[in-house]
Amino acid sequence: DQQVKQNSPSLSVQEGRISILNCDYTNSMFDYFLWYKKYPAEGPTFLISISSIKDKNEDGRFTVFLNKSAKHLSLHIVPSQPGDSAVYFCAASGPGVSGANNLFFGTGTRLTVIP
Amino acid sequence: SAVISQKPSRDICQRGTSLTIQCQVDSQVTMMFWYRQQPGQSLTLIATANQGSEATYESGFVIDKFPISRPNLTFSTLTVSNMSPEDSSIYLCSVEDRRRETQYFGPGTRLLVL
Repeated sequence: DQQVKQNSPSLSVQEGRISILNCDYTNSMFDYFLWYKKYPAEGPTFLISISSIKDKNEDGRFTVFLNKSAKHLSLHIVPSQPGDSAVYFCAASGPGVSGANNLFFGTGTRLTVIP
Repeated sequence: SAVISQKPSRDICQRGTSLTIQCQVDSQVTMMFWYRQQPGQSLTLIATANQGSEATYESGFVIDKFPISRPNLTFSTLTVSNMSPEDSSIYLCSVEDRRRETQYFGPGTRLLVL
C-alpha cells in the first residue's frame, strides 16, 4: 500500500520557467514532509522539508507548499536550471515498526530542464 | 550533514550466494537505516539498526534474509543472503540528523544478481 504517491513519473520544463512537482499522501499521522533530489549513481540528497504545522517553506529557488486538508504537497523550483535535472522524491515522516520516525517515499518524478 | 560511504558501490553476484554491504559514517549516530530501491520503484525501508540492539525489520523483510550488524555508532552492515534475481536493487544506508528532521543517505550499492 503506497502511502506517498507521485503520479507524474516525468516532467519537462524550459530553462527559466517554473517547475512544479506534486505529491499526495494518505496517512494523516505524517508530521514532516521532505523532498529529495537524486542524480544517477548517487544517493538521494535532502533538498527541503516542511513541518505539518506549516503550509509553506522557502529556501532560495525552492518552495514547498503543504495542503493538509487535501493531503497534498508540491515543490516549486523557480527559475528552473539545467542542473536541476534529476529525479525528485517526495517523502513523509511517520511512525514505523521500530517506533522511530520512518521515511515513506514516493516513486519519484524525473525532471528535465531544457536549456 | 553526515558523510556516508558504502562498499561495494556495485557488484554482480550469482544466484544463491550472499553479499555483505558496509556503511560507514563520519560521525556517531544513534539510528541507521537500510533501504532498498528496486528498478522503477520508490525507496523502501528494510530495517532500522540501533547500536547495541537487534535491528527492527519492516513488514516483508526478515532477519534470515537480511541480517544486519551494528557493532558501533559509526558502522553497520547489511547482508543479502541466498540471493535471487529479484534481489537486484540499489541498497542504501541512511542516518538521522541530530534534529531528527531528515535523513542523509549514502551513495548506494547497486546489486545485480544473475
